[in-house]
Amino acid sequence: DTGVSQDPRHKITKRGQNVTFRCDPISEHNRLYWYRQTLGQGPEFLTYFQNEAQLEKSRLLSDRFSAERPKGSFSTLEIQRTEQGDSAMYLCASSLEGLSGYTFGSGTRLTVV
Amino acid sequence: KQEVTQIPAALSVPEGENLVLNCSFTDSAIYNLQWFRQDPGKGLTSLLLIQSSQREQTSGRLNASLDKSSGRSTLYIAASQPGDSATYLCAVRKRGDEKLTFGTGTRLTIIP
Repeated sequence: DTGVSQDPRHKITKRGQNVTFRCDPISEHNRLYWYRQTLGQGPEFLTYFQNEAQLEKSRLLSDRFSAERPKGSFSTLEIQRTEQGDSAMYLCASSLEGLSGYTFGSGTRLTVV
Repeated sequence: KQEVTQIPAALSVPEGENLVLNCSFTDSAIYNLQWFRQDPGKGLTSLLLIQSSQREQTSGRLNASLDKSSGRSTLYIAASQPGDSATYLCAVRKRGDEKLTFGTGTRLTIIP
């Protein structure tokens, strides 16, 4: 297992377009998280899944954002009608219930022009 | 609401020196604390994880300590190297909560 994978690494989109990011967690991890990080700040929590169930969503996750984890494996994060304020690094992480910490992916950097 | 503070925001030290990075948090009811490293434009690499029942963890030249009662953690880096240059982030997981709360990081530069 090579860790948490995110695709694409970079995405440039025009304002108003929809974008979708994918995250493949570590295979034996049952929890998956999405975070957003803007320049000079620490990552901020967006949402998390236990298996296929989305158990918590931050108020940062407006109705333009939707996340899914249909079979309890990979996850997608979609942003509809992108705005310039959506420009950020989107980070995915996974963990195993219990005492393990988080393992993060390399992130997807979104630039909205 | 849990708040995490990291001081200083930036630090430059000559190669070979030992150094300490600081992290403080406001709510001592934590489940664990994790230190990460982030290179520019990259994701986060986990360095050390300390459970709430532990006082310290060590990995190679890195040692992290945890004092829950005072709401503090330190990351000690021994014999610093230019490859240690990165941003170091501290993150706290509160008891009964799944999400991590991050500090804004300390940007470390090791001068050759």
